[in-house]
Amino acid sequence: GAGVSQTPSNKVTEKGKYVELRCDPISGHTALYWYRQSLGQGPEFLIYFQGTGAADDSGLPNDRFFAVRPEGSVSTLKIQRTERGDSAVYLCASSPGGVTEAFFGQGTRLTVV
Amino acid sequence: SQQGEEDPQALSIQEGENATMNCSYKTSINNLQWYRQNSGRGLVHLILIRSNEREKHSGRLRVTLDTSKKSSSLLITASRAADTASYFCATDERGGFKTIFGAGTRLFVKA
Repeated sequence: GAGVSQTPSNKVTEKGKYVELRCDPISGHTALYWYRQSLGQGPEFLIYFQGTGAADDSGLPNDRFFAVRPEGSVSTLKIQRTERGDSAVYLCASSPGGVTEAFFGQGTRLTVV
Repeated sequence: SQQGEEDPQALSIQEGENATMNCSYKTSINNLQWYRQNSGRGLVHLILIRSNEREKHSGRLRVTLDTSKKSSSLLITASRAADTASYFCATDERGGFKTIFGAGTRLFVKA
C-alpha cells in the first residue's frame, strides 16, 4: 500500500480479554516498530523487528504483550488478559532499514473497560 | 523511560512569528530526528540530523545539534496556523536499534 496501515483504528475490549492489533508496513520495508502512546506523552518504544526476527523487545512491559512478524511483512501485536492500564494508542512504523526516517501508521486506539 | 526531553512543554505564538523548540537527551546517539503529530494519531517525519552534523535546513525548518551538550533545537520560521501540532524529538541510540521519543512540545499558532 501507499502507507503503513493499522487495523482496527479503534478497539474497545473488556478487562481480561485478549486483543490482536495488526500492522501492514510499507512494501519492502524490512524494519518494523511498535510504540505505545498515552495521552499527553510521547510514543513509548515496545519492540523492533528486522525482517522476521525481533531485534529488540526490551520495551514490552510484561509477558502479557507479544508481537510476531512471521513472514517479514505484516506484524501482529497481541495482548493477553488486558488491563485498564493498557488503554492507549498503539502505533506501528516501518522503514527501509539503516539510518533513515520511519513511516508511521495512524494507530489503533485501544480502550479497556 | 523517555530519553529525549523537549522544552518548552507548550508554546503559543502568533502567525508569522518564529517558533523554537529544544530537546535534550542522555546517551550517545547515531542520529536525531524531529517528528510532528496532529490530533494524537500518526506521526510525520520532519528532518533527520546525523551525529556528525551540526545544522540542517528543510524549507522553513532549521535543526541544530550539539552533541557536546546532548541537545538539539528545531526552529520553524514564519509560522502558520497549520503548524499547530505536537513536535517530538527522537534519538537512535548508538549501538542499539530503538528510537526513543521525548514527551513533545505542543505548539499552538494563532491566526
